Amino acid sequence: DTAVSQTPKYLVTQMGNDKSIKCEQNLGHDTMYWYKQDSKKFLKIMFSYNNKELIINETVPNRFSPKSPDKAHLNLHINSLELGDSAVYFCASSQRENEQYFGPGTRLTVT
Amino acid sequence: AQTVTQSQPEMSVQEAETVTLSCTYDTSESNYYLFWYKQPPSRQMILVIRQEAYKQQNATENRFSVNFQKAAKSFSLKISDSQLGDTAMYFCAFRMDSSYKLIFGSGTRLLVRP
Repeated sequence: DTAVSQTPKYLVTQMGNDKSIKCEQNLGHDTMYWYKQDSKKFLKIMFSYNNKELIINETVPNRFSPKSPDKAHLNLHINSLELGDSAVYFCASSQRENEQYFGPGTRLTVT
Repeated sequence: AQTVTQSQPEMSVQEAETVTLSCTYDTSESNYYLFWYKQPPSRQMILVIRQEAYKQQNATENRFSVNFQKAAKSFSLKISDSQLGDTAMYFCAFRMDSSYKLIFGSGTRLLVRP
């Protein structure tokens, strides 16, 4: 009964490649988020969608593009991967602006 | 802009003892929410406790309690009867009322020693 799930959990890829991370929530929430946790464990929001509409878009390179096909899914596509993109990416969901529930994270390693 | 500061990068405590993790924040808003999240080695982010700024009473959840000092903009987490499973990174987070954006501190790594 996973509440917020992400696939894959680990992703190793080479510079220049394009990759996607998928997120699904079964909590019935209307809002989903992507966070990036860097090597120093600092956690920062990247994007947020409410009812499939983008409501938060922090200063993130254009190579990152979120896509929300429906309220239960928020995918993150990354083009032309760079070494600095190596991090743990967390998906989260909430009902409106209430408590956020996080997925297990995806560790992305760019070589 | 709102900021959250956790001044203790690492702390350790003996099993069964009590430990307090510090958090300060900066905001000009009067209505907001504060949270403590736990991230064990499994990497999962787990909500530990939340506090609404308009409530004077400090939140408690079993062995976890907070000391919320609104005037001082301080929000510390007390863990009583520490257990080995409490070993984790602990993040303090802030959210303005009616905002979707969570702002995190840099985290405190807590080690519970047997």
